Amino acid sequence: SAVISQKPSRDICQRGTSLTIQCQVDSQVTMMFWYRQQPGQSLTLIATANQGSEATYESGFVIDKFPISRPNLTFSTLTVSNMSPEDSSIYLCSVKTGTSGWAREQYFGPGTRLTVT
Amino acid sequence: QKEVEQNSGPLSVPEGAIASLNCTYSDRVSQSFFWYRQYSGKSPELIMSIYSNGDKEDGRFTAQLNKASQYVSLLIRDSQPSDSATYLCAVAPNSGAGSYQLTFGKGTKLSVIP
Repeated sequence: SAVISQKPSRDICQRGTSLTIQCQVDSQVTMMFWYRQQPGQSLTLIATANQGSEATYESGFVIDKFPISRPNLTFSTLTVSNMSPEDSSIYLCSVKTGTSGWAREQYFGPGTRLTVT
Repeated sequence: QKEVEQNSGPLSVPEGAIASLNCTYSDRVSQSFFWYRQYSGKSPELIMSIYSNGDKEDGRFTAQLNKASQYVSLLIRDSQPSDSATYLCAVAPNSGAGSYQLTFGKGTKLSVIP
């Protein structure tokens, strides 16, 4: 599996501000995803980060709130915009490695713990 | 709406026993199934994937899949205190648009008692 890093690992932000989270992979990957894990909850997919095109967002998530970039096959960013305390969560990137189209395994980065005050 | 259900636990088992974790899913088109282990404060770690009905074994872990019953389970043999974690079940469809999106259950917290 790939080695995935995220920056920052944690941050405390004031409401109304924005934070950009970076996800770096040590090898080229076909697909990258962004998830949110709210306190005591499971993971919810925010969007699929598409290389060279706009991200694909899940129901309940919009580009204005969570803009995503993916300039190449090893890097992606997620911005949490105009933050409110409800955005306090762990944000995780994940990747699908391998060239096999049928394989669906995803591997997660260490996560970014965001607290909004 | 796709749902993945797990008993939240906590499930307590003595060291050396078999821990049995269960998961049911609502979307019949689901074809790919995964078990992740998440230690407190850490990110999920993939421990098993299963695509076909039946059993799949990897070391002390066995995943069991029954698509007709929409049921997937994880058995941990010879449970160790280091197995204490939350186990997340995840499912995905196998083809078509959106086929890589994982839907997660809320997880079962396992506690292995020394």
